[in-house]
Amino acid sequence: QSALTQPASVSGSPGQSITISCTGTKSDIGNYNYVSWYQQHPGAAPKLIISEVSNRPSGVSDRFSGSKSGNTASLTISGLQAEDEADYYCSSYRSSGTLYVFGTGTKVTVL
Amino acid sequence: QVQLVESGGGLVKPGGSLRLSCAASGFTFSDFYMSWIRQVPGKGLEWISFISNNGNTIDYADSMKGRFTISRDNSKNSLYLEMNSLRVEDTAVYYCARMRYRNFPYWGQGTLVTVSS
Repeated sequence: QSALTQPASVSGSPGQSITISCTGTKSDIGNYNYVSWYQQHPGAAPKLIISEVSNRPSGVSDRFSGSKSGNTASLTISGLQAEDEADYYCSSYRSSGTLYVFGTGTKVTVL
Repeated sequence: QVQLVESGGGLVKPGGSLRLSCAASGFTFSDFYMSWIRQVPGKGLEWISFISNNGNTIDYADSMKGRFTISRDNSKNSLYLEMNSLRVEDTAVYYCARMRYRNFPYWGQGTLVTVSS
């Protein structure tokens, strides 16, 4: 199945804001609001940080926000902190074939 | 609290089989859909399969159909993944995950499957 497309890496200085894009098709992101984002630190399991495009689960910092426009979803991290350095993956439900697809992953580096 | 603990990973030869288990606790297992997701070391995430709360609805990623079988035993609070005809490219960390509204809010710590001769 074709993965959703994310930039391989994004970096920023502490306190800055960064945005990670996630591009799919009209069969997934473009047609459903079932876009989620996961944060993964080295050696750890992924952690859900955004669900249904823009919902933050309880306990997730409000520095994380999500949005969607057309076939592209975005994750914004504001007030970048050292602890935000991790890999980030988007995911979407799709209508046929492989029902759930993940993004290619983005490594966030805090300079 | 929600806990998911995978087991059953290990070293297997190409063409071999393996059965992974996921023990769930801290929630009513029979209320939730569950999934298996894998990650090749150093690479991205790949969804494998999901099973409905009562086991009546199952689906697989296109690339996994025919070789992998998901099942559950609600009386044992356990999820399983039977993997056959394993290939070198199936080498990965395998996670079980509890589902909610087409998301994966809870993950286990993963179990490593290595397919090598």
